[in-house]
Amino acid sequence: DAKTTQPNSMESNEEEPVHLPCNHSTISGTDYIHWYRQLPSQGPEYVIHGLTSNVNNRMASLAIAEDRKSSTLILHRATLRDAAVYYCILRDPNFGNEKLTFGTGTRLTIIP
Amino acid sequence: DTAVSQTPKYLVTQMGNDKSIKCEQNLGHDTMYWYKQDSKKFLKIMFSYNNKELIINETVPNRFSPKSPDKAHLNLHINSLELGDSAVYFCASSQAVGGSSYNEQFFGPGTRLTVL
Repeated sequence: DAKTTQPNSMESNEEEPVHLPCNHSTISGTDYIHWYRQLPSQGPEYVIHGLTSNVNNRMASLAIAEDRKSSTLILHRATLRDAAVYYCILRDPNFGNEKLTFGTGTRLTIIP
Repeated sequence: DTAVSQTPKYLVTQMGNDKSIKCEQNLGHDTMYWYKQDSKKFLKIMFSYNNKELIINETVPNRFSPKSPDKAHLNLHINSLELGDSAVYFCASSQAVGGSSYNEQFFGPGTRLTVL
């Protein structure tokens, strides 16, 4: 599996934008970039995913570098509820939807 | 409405015992999973079932036996429990679509297993 590298932890002030980086220099041409997050004492939940173009949904935006070797998850206005561990995951579509390999993630702390 | 539910939420047991964790999803999905999150918070897939058939088995000891009586249920039975089995076990489900299409995985709340 292609690996991802994320900072262990980040802090952000409430109501400010948050940019969570992810490096994936060994990404293959067909790998999708997924983000999941895990709130305290809960199971992970899907945030967003993309292949080449930037993506937006109601939760976040995903900015993908032109060479696809890195990406950034953007939370436009962080709330206390966004405090979680954020996982950047590469998915090989040749393995279908099933194969998600979680790394260590970034623990995001929101400061009131 | 609980989409993916697991029982029990907590399970404390002695080494050597046999225990089961149940999982049910009411989302109409055809693929279900078991993940293990250890004390260092690493989350690893253990099994994946599609339409009651095993499609992923990530070198899990054969003391772990998943059972899927129907598409909505995937139970995990563990024989001869060991100290190293202590972890949080998460069940998940998704609607499997191949290739470039993707349907997200929905996770349950987890079962914290403690083996003494």
